[in-house]
Amino acid sequence: GQQVMQIPQYQHVQEGEDFTTYCNSSTTLSNIQWYKQRPGGHPVFLIQLVKSGEVKKQKRLTFQFGEAKKNSSLHITATQTTDVGTYFCAGRETSGSRLTFGEGTQLTVNP
Amino acid sequence: DAGVTQSPTHLIKTRGQQVTLRCSPISGHKSVSWYQQVLGQGPQFIFQYYEKEERGRGNFPDRFSARQFPNYSSELNVNALLLGDSALYLCASSSSGRAGTEAFFGQGTRLTVV
Repeated sequence: GQQVMQIPQYQHVQEGEDFTTYCNSSTTLSNIQWYKQRPGGHPVFLIQLVKSGEVKKQKRLTFQFGEAKKNSSLHITATQTTDVGTYFCAGRETSGSRLTFGEGTQLTVNP
Repeated sequence: DAGVTQSPTHLIKTRGQQVTLRCSPISGHKSVSWYQQVLGQGPQFIFQYYEKEERGRGNFPDRFSARQFPNYSSELNVNALLLGDSALYLCASSSSGRAGTEAFFGQGTRLTVV
């Protein structure tokens, strides 16, 4: 079955440093979504990428979808303590409707 | 406007017991999906229902079952509980069953099996 791998598993940064998490799928995706989960909370939708090579920005967050629609990345510029949480990518296969989540990258930001 | 609501928020059960978890989707949303999130891992897909029909099932044993009601709320049932069933159970609603629809998650039900 489809597998979605995410690296790194953990990332510790100083406030102001940049952060990137990478997501790779074993199969071609129809789209990929990114979620943020704060400690003790539930996943909250951030964005969806659909087109090959798509790049979207949300303030300090930049999301990319690979040309082959099998990988994606999330980059945060100048991290803040409010960025703390676990970031998950979740992909939908071309022919399916289920979301397959990666294992997540847990980000901690030291002030 | 209420978001996705799940009940109960926390639950403690004994091995071998049965549990029913409930989910009310966002008003107007017809699709409900269930996910299991073990501590430190990503959510794992269990079921999706759309318009009261099962649209997808993940790699979970037959002890797991679900249904969707005419008002689009949903229940997840787990029989013969095992210690390994301890997890956060998340319900997500979306406006349609099509691929690419944003999923809105509830706060989850934290199930502990002892």
